[in-house]
Amino acid sequence: NAGVTQTPKFRVLKTGQSMTLLCAQDMNHEYMYWYRQDPGMGLRLIHYSVGEGTTAKGEVPDGYNVSRLKKQNFLLGLESAAPSQTSVYFCATTPKASGANVLTFGAGSRLTVL
Amino acid sequence: GQNIDQPTEMTATEGAIVQINCTYQTSGFNGLFWYQQHAGEAPTFLSYNVLDGLEEKGRFSSFLSRSKGYSYLLLKELQMKDSASYLCAVMDSNYQLIWGAGTKLIIKP
Repeated sequence: NAGVTQTPKFRVLKTGQSMTLLCAQDMNHEYMYWYRQDPGMGLRLIHYSVGEGTTAKGEVPDGYNVSRLKKQNFLLGLESAAPSQTSVYFCATTPKASGANVLTFGAGSRLTVL
Repeated sequence: GQNIDQPTEMTATEGAIVQINCTYQTSGFNGLFWYQQHAGEAPTFLSYNVLDGLEEKGRFSSFLSRSKGYSYLLLKELQMKDSASYLCAVMDSNYQLIWGAGTKLIIKP
């Protein structure tokens, strides 16, 4: 039972390159989220999904795209990477969005854009 | 705007007690969470408060005052493994989580 798995764990990109981060969960959770974490700032929501085939924008969606073709997978894409997207990216899941539901996080993906 | 404030860094001694404060201003309130994050790792859940008062869970306790927009996390009998960042997050009226920047807790022997 792996929980939430993110790949890759580390990646270095050059400005303008594209890449996709994969989040896979085996908990049958409906809701999935992509956050970024930067020094001195709280976690910021990029995009989220409330179910298979649906996605929505979070607080900082610009420069990112997402897809949720299967319930267990949530992909985060960077079409043209910029140095401002250097960050640690966390995927998280919950069964649903009611108050008491706890987020389960993946281990994180550290992205550096040169 | 929505805002969560918590101290950037705190230092405490092994075996002692430390209180980490969190104040918030959000659009609505559907609960407050505390997460622990060790360096280089993912956040993990510690506690959830939705009603005023103290919730105790072993060495960790969390307090909430909704009228004051205030919470604290109390850690007792500190151990070296408690060295971590502690994240405060509030769920607003749209069930979106608003996160504080985290408090880095340093435990000294």
